[in-house]
Amino acid sequence: GAGVSQSPSNKVTEKGKDVELRCDPISGHTALYWYRQSLGQGLEFLIYFQGNSAPDKSGLPSDRFSAERTGGSVSTLTIQRTQQEDSAVYLCASSLVSEGGYGYTFGSGTRLTVV
Amino acid sequence: AQTVTQSQPEMSVQEAETVTLSCTYDTSESDYYLFWYKQPPSRQMILVIRQEAYKQQNATENRFSVNFQKAAKSFSLKISDSQLGDAAMYFCAYRSGLGGGSQGNLIFGKGTKLSVKP
Repeated sequence: GAGVSQSPSNKVTEKGKDVELRCDPISGHTALYWYRQSLGQGLEFLIYFQGNSAPDKSGLPSDRFSAERTGGSVSTLTIQRTQQEDSAVYLCASSLVSEGGYGYTFGSGTRLTVV
Repeated sequence: AQTVTQSQPEMSVQEAETVTLSCTYDTSESDYYLFWYKQPPSRQMILVIRQEAYKQQNATENRFSVNFQKAAKSFSLKISDSQLGDAAMYFCAYRSGLGGGSQGNLIFGKGTKLSVKP
């Protein structure tokens, strides 16, 4: 696609429910990152995918968070048993390469509200 | 670990005037990249400008320019002839030049909210 697409744009869920957030990167981009942006904060790294390699999960805040990337393209971030502190904007970014001074192309994010 | 600090939570500028947003960072690396991103209410992060640490010349993109002071670890953004459309959150970000993968992860400051007065 022309840009990074994320869905849904907004999600309200009840505490304890599971949610899935989707990211469709730019076609051909091999590197994909998930970030979390809490209110008034910068972006916090969550997870990184590069091609078909094993993902770097070092930024995931707890084992309730997981992500997968199918066929080196679309990625899904899953949050199980959501808590109120999970409320944030979840941003996805992709890049053609994972090295060098390339910035990333970001999606518009999913605003998650846990009530 | 690298850190990025933006000491101005909010800034305001009159339309057509010039404003400078501050950013400092901490790193022991000599090879890295610095970025300024703009985040309007649409939430999408838009790359404004980037600087390679090995370049002494300050990057410029139209009305946007940076003052990169490597020794001081300072990377400020100057917006000239401010326009109403410049109103947004601005984030400074650091990326290691050492290898790829998650080492290429962007490290962000907490942002500066810029308001432009007509």
